[in-house]
Amino acid sequence: DFQMTQSPSSLSASVGDRVTITCRASQSISSYLNWYQQKPGKAPKLLIYAASSLQSGVPSRFSGSGSGTDFTLTISSLQPEDFATYYCQQSYSTPPTFGPGTKVDI
Amino acid sequence: EMQLVESGGGLVQPGRSLRLSCAASGFTFDDFAMHWVRQAPGKGLEWVSGISWKSDNIGYADSVKGRFTISRDNAKNSLYLQVNSLRAEDTALYYCAKDPEARIGTTNTRFDFWGQGILVIVSS
Repeated sequence: DFQMTQSPSSLSASVGDRVTITCRASQSISSYLNWYQQKPGKAPKLLIYAASSLQSGVPSRFSGSGSGTDFTLTISSLQPEDFATYYCQQSYSTPPTFGPGTKVDI
Repeated sequence: EMQLVESGGGLVQPGRSLRLSCAASGFTFDDFAMHWVRQAPGKGLEWVSGISWKSDNIGYADSVKGRFTISRDNAKNSLYLQVNSLRAEDTALYYCAKDPEARIGTTNTRFDFWGQGILVIVSS
């Protein structure tokens, strides 16, 4: 299975901050990387697919980049509703695997 | 409005069985692959199983292979997960999730809509 890691595991930020989360794959996954947001007590929500494509309805302050083994999710200006846990997921190989998550709080 | 509503969870003893269901509405169910993804309490996400639109392409995580069976009934817009020989480590919130593709195991496999989840607790 392809192992996914994320850094940092948690971070503290303020409204208006630029936030960057990193995801690393154990082997090259080309651009087959997706990002999800999960708020407490809620189901995950797809934000970014294929490394950099914004899912319909997701605010443009979210962006993704990277290819191969290293990827980033950037929130350009953190909003109060963005405090959540973020997961990456590779779709290059079956089974699809997730990173351990990055918690973004105040 | 798109909806996925899971049911069938609960408290069950180790070794016993459950059948989880997911009722879909608001989209053309039989156009898309579907998946089960679980989340143990306080932990991350784990893909459990997926099934293609016409049930001819099915996959399982190694951790559940041989114990869990995924199925779907397109006439009823429903997805199922038969979970047998349950273990304590199967305790989790089980989510039903839609794939934007018709088949599983493609490089586009992702989960673009999720239900709210159903809790399975395995304990004696």
